[in-house]
Amino acid sequence: RKEVEQDPGPFNVPEGATVAFNCTYSNSASQSFFWYRQDCRKEPKLLMSVYSSGNEDGRFTAQLNRASQYISLLIRDSKLSDSATYLCVVNDPRAGAGSYQLTFGKGTKLSVIP
Amino acid sequence: NAGVTQTPKFRVLKTGQSMTLLCAQDMNHEYMYWYRQDPGMGLRLIHYSVGEGTTAKGEVPDGYNVSRLKKQNFLLGLESAAPSQTSVYFCASSADRTDTQYFGPGTRLTVL
Repeated sequence: RKEVEQDPGPFNVPEGATVAFNCTYSNSASQSFFWYRQDCRKEPKLLMSVYSSGNEDGRFTAQLNRASQYISLLIRDSKLSDSATYLCVVNDPRAGAGSYQLTFGKGTKLSVIP
Repeated sequence: NAGVTQTPKFRVLKTGQSMTLLCAQDMNHEYMYWYRQDPGMGLRLIHYSVGEGTTAKGEVPDGYNVSRLKKQNFLLGLESAAPSQTSVYFCASSADRTDTQYFGPGTRLTVL
């Protein structure tokens, strides 16, 4: 069973474009959601948390749709430096206290082209 | 403030050899994790620890052992390396079980 699913891409977009990624999760009881960014041959780093009301951080906007169980990430005015793989991360509420909680998607690759 | 560091960065082993990967964090985090990342597979949890002296199995624990003798360190051991363990290994830590995980730079391991 795939708990967190993402389109692997790649998404090839020109500089300045707007691009959106979706991620679906299987457990309706999940409560914490994140987007991580991973550059080629580097470690994942937190991009932003995703809140129920949606949230924005500069050019990045994250949305949560609990009814349809998906999370989205919108990047406006794409920069060359946005080229990376974006990982969708969801908590697993089935895990009890003291247990591991987060499930990582396999990632969506973005390439921003000059 | 170094965050999460991993030693070594690269290693080549022969089948059957053993080695230990070291992860250290200076953020006083309770939770620490070991993942492996393979092409097309994403991050898979090997083992994790919820505090000093505790360890637990993750999704793919076979062939690995771990120890958390000190809060700041989390060791991953391979007793008898196999080619299937060729991968990039990431260590991470977090303050709480649902909190942001901070990753180390990774160890690239090749088993011949």
